[in-house]
Amino acid sequence: GAVVSQHPSWVICKSGTSVKIECRSLDFQATTMFWYRQFPKQSLMLMATSNEGSKATYEQGVEKDKFLINHASLTLSTLTVTSAHPEDSSFYICSARDPGVTNTEAFFGQGTRLTVV
Amino acid sequence: GENVEQHPSTLSVQEGDSAVIKCTYSDSASNYFPWYKQELGKGPQLIIDIRSNVGEKKDQRIAVTLNKTAKHFSLHITETQPEDSAVYFCAASITGNQFYFGTGTSLTVIP
Repeated sequence: GAVVSQHPSWVICKSGTSVKIECRSLDFQATTMFWYRQFPKQSLMLMATSNEGSKATYEQGVEKDKFLINHASLTLSTLTVTSAHPEDSSFYICSARDPGVTNTEAFFGQGTRLTVV
Repeated sequence: GENVEQHPSTLSVQEGDSAVIKCTYSDSASNYFPWYKQELGKGPQLIIDIRSNVGEKKDQRIAVTLNKTAKHFSLHITETQPEDSAVYFCAASITGNQFYFGTGTSLTVIP
């Protein structure tokens, strides 16, 4: 089946620094990828929809200048957490699906655990 | 937007018993309903899904039912095993792109 890979799987950074998380579709081209955030023992909350070659679409309440998304190619989307603070510590997960097929499963990355100290 | 509710939040069953998790959704336009299993520190893995033109689907020990009129769907796991212990999420999708997740159910199977 299709595989989505995230990197890194975990990262620790200091407050005020920026962190980049990569999401790659390994065996298919994804015109659209999705970024989710998950707090401990809570559900996945959609942050934004990443569109190849265009600006990302952010969900209400998500700061676009805080969470920069770049979908530069059909197999790569990046999420950059800028000027990270401890409250940004969370589990970030991306997903993608094969384009052109409706209502098919979404493939999720393994997630990135971000800890801001 | 879509609102998905999931119950119960925690569930403990004896090994070999059945487990049932229920979800409701709000938007009648939703037409794809996947269930995901998430183990600690990992991303969600699809275990079964159902589309709105189907009322029930089964895959070995796992089954899902959908009641479009009532806007609810359920996950049934029979003959539970300790390795079934995980957090389970239901989701609803309208466009096939964005997924709206339930709040999760932490299932513990007691040996």
